[in-house]
Amino acid sequence: NAGVTQTPKFRVLKTGQSMTLLCAQDMNHEYMYWYRQDPGMGLRLIHYSVGEGTTAKGEVPDGYNVSRLKKQNFLLGLESAAPSQTSVYFCASMRSAGENEQFFGPGTRLTVL
Amino acid sequence: RKEVEQDPGPFNVPEGATVAFNCTYSNSASQSFFWYRQDCRKEPKLLMSVYSSGNEDGRFTAQLNRASQYISLLIRDSKLSDSATYLCVVFNAGNMLTFGGGTRLMVKP
Repeated sequence: NAGVTQTPKFRVLKTGQSMTLLCAQDMNHEYMYWYRQDPGMGLRLIHYSVGEGTTAKGEVPDGYNVSRLKKQNFLLGLESAAPSQTSVYFCASMRSAGENEQFFGPGTRLTVL
Repeated sequence: RKEVEQDPGPFNVPEGATVAFNCTYSNSASQSFFWYRQDCRKEPKLLMSVYSSGNEDGRFTAQLNRASQYISLLIRDSKLSDSATYLCVVFNAGNMLTFGGGTRLMVKP
């Protein structure tokens, strides 16, 4: 099993450009999450999904959109990138409610110039 | 005030030392507690859950004090490979984890 994978691993954008980050998991997990991690800030939840076709806002959702059309995939979109979105983005999945352990992907390092 | 607070460190300790980290949380309704480990430029991974009665996993001991709302992690006989950032994590209702900012540990030869 590959676990949780993320593409791309690195990306540099110019202000105003758009992009989509892809997260895929092969563990048949119901829950998926997108976090960003900035120095000294810890991981902050952007959006999450409790099942195929569902999404919900986390702590810092502004400037991002998500979709969960297939159970195994969770997409994070930036419609108009800003320098404040320079960060490391982690995707995670969790089997179901009550499991609590989240499995993380390797991260995507995004720089917005 | 952050929901989960940790001393960022770094804690610099020699091999073989015992080191302890604390973490405080603000939501008294928090349900579950964890320590995750994150190596430099890598993803976080679960180190251990924290149970009310305290629990041990080899050289690692975790304790929870609900009355004072803090969690601790004790590492005995530190190894070079223990060098990492340790994240205190709290699970609240709504299937969301809240992460502390992490405590950085550096074990020196």
